[in-house]
Amino acid sequence: QVQLVQSGAEVKKPGDSVKVSCKPSGYTFSYYAIHWVRQAPGQSLEWMGWINTGNGNTKYSQKFQGRLTITRDTSASTAYMDLSSLRSEDTAVYYCARNANWGIDYWGQGTLVTVPS
Amino acid sequence: QSALTQPRSVSGSPGQSVTISCTGTSSDVGGYNYVSWFQQHPGKAPKLMIYDVTKRPSGVPDRFSGSKSGNTASLTISGLQAEDEADYYCCSYAGSYTWVFGGGTKLTVL
Repeated sequence: QVQLVQSGAEVKKPGDSVKVSCKPSGYTFSYYAIHWVRQAPGQSLEWMGWINTGNGNTKYSQKFQGRLTITRDTSASTAYMDLSSLRSEDTAVYYCARNANWGIDYWGQGTLVTVPS
Repeated sequence: QSALTQPRSVSGSPGQSVTISCTGTSSDVGGYNYVSWFQQHPGKAPKLMIYDVTKRPSGVPDRFSGSKSGNTASLTISGLQAEDEADYYCCSYAGSYTWVFGGGTKLTVL
């Protein structure tokens, strides 16, 4: 069955960077793109960006341009989300999710990133 | 890109039907038949309930249905059950390989 397993919770200082990993299983990694979506406490879901795991092409939400880098390691079948210049407003649960056609189907379990103010 | 507009909350009694709307623009909801709906219980990851406006993944009860008219998509849940109480989010493809979510709707089963 399809599963996406993410790395564990992180606590960072303002100005730091955080890198979250996402390792899918149950399908061929390079056949499906990966999205990154975040959810601040009590807030809605927010699309951040995605990566074509086959060729490495990426697209980011304008909100995160310059701070967000999404990469993948095909040998490890793992995708990564790197967010820099962290501030307290970046405290959120970060999800990776599998792309299916023009939407999202399966989600990771989420990774809590806390940036105390 | 602005978030899609959803009602903050809806409610219904067991057995009733409720409809949740999701309003966007001609650049997202109105421009593509790529609207999805997700159910999220507290502390859990979202779960896909509807994709491509009207399609149901296997395992999702047929009590859940989707539709679209112009720039507004809708999720209808018929025969409400206690376990349907959750937050619901719409999501639309917005062109140029970008996506946008709705603000979320809290469904309360009375």
